[in-house]
Amino acid sequence: DQQVKQNSPSLSVQEGRISILNCDYTNSMFDYFLWYKKYPAEGPTFLISISSIKDKNEDGRFTVFLNKSAKHLSLHIVPSQPGDSAVYFCAASGSTGNQFYFGTGTSLTVIP
Amino acid sequence: NAGVTQTPKFRILKIGQSMTLQCTQDMNHNYMYWYRQDPGMGLKLIYYSVGAGITDKGEVPNGYNVSRSTTEDFPLRLELAAPSQTSVYFCASTKNTEAFFGQGTRLTVV
Repeated sequence: DQQVKQNSPSLSVQEGRISILNCDYTNSMFDYFLWYKKYPAEGPTFLISISSIKDKNEDGRFTVFLNKSAKHLSLHIVPSQPGDSAVYFCAASGSTGNQFYFGTGTSLTVIP
Repeated sequence: NAGVTQTPKFRILKIGQSMTLQCTQDMNHNYMYWYRQDPGMGLKLIYYSVGAGITDKGEVPNGYNVSRSTTEDFPLRLELAAPSQTSVYFCASTKNTEAFFGQGTRLTVV
């Protein structure tokens, strides 16, 4: 049973437009959410995170939105750049941070 | 800054062979993890450790063993390799709920 779900395996966006990646979770005990970016043949790298006490966190071109009632979060990338082409994983953890649960990933392609 | 280092990067094993995937971190993190990523799937937690001498099972621990004798090292052991263990393995350590990953080990069992 997948506790963190990314229902879109792939997404293509034109350069300069907005990319929106979605993530849903089932466990209401999760209170910390992260997005990771992964290039081929590399390990995932941290991108942005959000605590459950917030509904938005922004870092440059990247913004994460959290809707706790819907158990849904999204990552917005504006404007999208070709270098953003990668697989994006959503992850969640409880307050202890002992275990991270990852989604299946969304492969983003930004078309020049 | 080495961060999290995994060796080897690639390995082909025959069914029934054993091997150890090495993982070392130089950030003095207490928490360390082993994940596997199968094609089209997310990362599944195999084992984790909250500090030297302490290990716990994750979601998919069967067929694996770990040890944590030092803060820096967290090796993953496969005793009897099976084709189902063909995967990419990632080691990670965490600080303040942010995980730092190694580059991965691509393992094929034939």
